[in-house]
Amino acid sequence: DAKTTQPPSMDCAEGRAANLPCNHSTISGNEYVYWYRQIHSQGPQYIIHGLKNNETNEMASLIITEDRKSSTLILPHATLRDTAVYYCIVRGNTNAGKSTFGDGTTLTVKP
Amino acid sequence: GAVVSQHPSRVICKSGTSVKIECRSLDFQATTMFWYRQFPKQSLMLMATSNEGSKATYEQGVEKDKFLINHASLTLSTLTVTSAHPEDSSFYICSAVAQVNSNQPQHFGDGTRLSIL
Repeated sequence: DAKTTQPPSMDCAEGRAANLPCNHSTISGNEYVYWYRQIHSQGPQYIIHGLKNNETNEMASLIITEDRKSSTLILPHATLRDTAVYYCIVRGNTNAGKSTFGDGTTLTVKP
Repeated sequence: GAVVSQHPSRVICKSGTSVKIECRSLDFQATTMFWYRQFPKQSLMLMATSNEGSKATYEQGVEKDKFLINHASLTLSTLTVTSAHPEDSSFYICSAVAQVNSNQPQHFGDGTRLSIL
């Protein structure tokens, strides 16, 4: 599975949009981009995933560049409860479904 | 959404004790589950892939005799830390996927914090 690169930390003001970038320049054609977040002392929570089209659900939006080498997770109106470590993972539908976690981005939402 | 339940959430025990952690998929069948370990201020590290009805696949450096995995049904996998020592203290997290070799996401349990005295 392709490796991902994320900034180690970001701050965001409460109520503003949080835009979390992820680089995956070695992504291959059948690999999806997945986003999870981990709030302190809990298991990771699935947020959203996509292949090449932009995706939106009740939690967030995922914007994938046309060349698929990077993506951005958007939390449209960040709240204090969105403070967490956000992981961007690239995974194909082979390799037994294993996901490799990088260091993620620690997002701190400030009042 | 898909729910994965992990039990217990916290264990404190003496060195030399064996500890069993359960991972259940509550509303879907999971032929494959994954076990991760997370040390403080670090990311999740995959330990092993648990396959229903067959032997688990361990990642490099993970001792299979130390971390016994049993996946006896489509909704339950167990991880047993045998003869645990203080260095085994960690946050253990399981995940499950409804369909392997698909684009479906993994769903994670809430983790088990293991403290060995």
